[in-house]
Amino acid sequence: DGGITQSPKYLFRKEGQNVTLSCEQNLNHDAMYWYRQDPGQGLRLIYYSQIVNDFQKGDIAEGYSVSREKKESFPLTVTSAQKNPTAFYLCASSPRQGGGIQYFGAGTRLSVL
Amino acid sequence: SQQGEEDPQALSIQEGENATMNCSYKTSINNLQWYRQNSGRGLVHLILIRSNEREKHSGRLRVTLDTSKKSSSLLITASRAADTASYFCATEGRQGGSEKLVFGKGTKLTVNP
Repeated sequence: DGGITQSPKYLFRKEGQNVTLSCEQNLNHDAMYWYRQDPGQGLRLIYYSQIVNDFQKGDIAEGYSVSREKKESFPLTVTSAQKNPTAFYLCASSPRQGGGIQYFGAGTRLSVL
Repeated sequence: SQQGEEDPQALSIQEGENATMNCSYKTSINNLQWYRQNSGRGLVHLILIRSNEREKHSGRLRVTLDTSKKSSSLLITASRAADTASYFCATEGRQGGSEKLVFGKGTKLTVNP
């Protein structure tokens, strides 16, 4: 059963807490992406990685961090520096460097307690 | 930065009618893609049109691209209630950030049975 798995589906963050969102893919894709989606809005790029051990900031990287230690995994940490973290977070992967069609996970909805 | 801008923001039609959504963008592109998102879910790729193509079909979907006007349209023919979703255009840039897609804010389509 191939695809992209995001977990958890729902996540709650307390004030001052760091939380990590998981994204795993078994599609053997090189590139992976993290997006943030606010209600009624499009997707904004947080971070992306085209190859293991390398990643680049997107348009709204402040308050977030990522790692890419394995090809199949691209976890996103929402740090306490992100003052407005409530949003829907989407992970995607793409089979080639240089963009192309992206395949999305089902998303993680993060709320602040 | 969001390059794609969809129009209209929301569209409500009756089952069996056609639905047309438009997308405008600002800079040169390699390709333009359309994605669909059901409420609270991840995005699903629908169709990709390259910058040297003018029209493309896939089932009940028809996409046009006018690079001189920097615009695209998505036509869904003979709509069904199951087509109810948000539709996003995404552009892959020709220069610099060609490794990533830039998404618009989407058109929310409601098909009434």
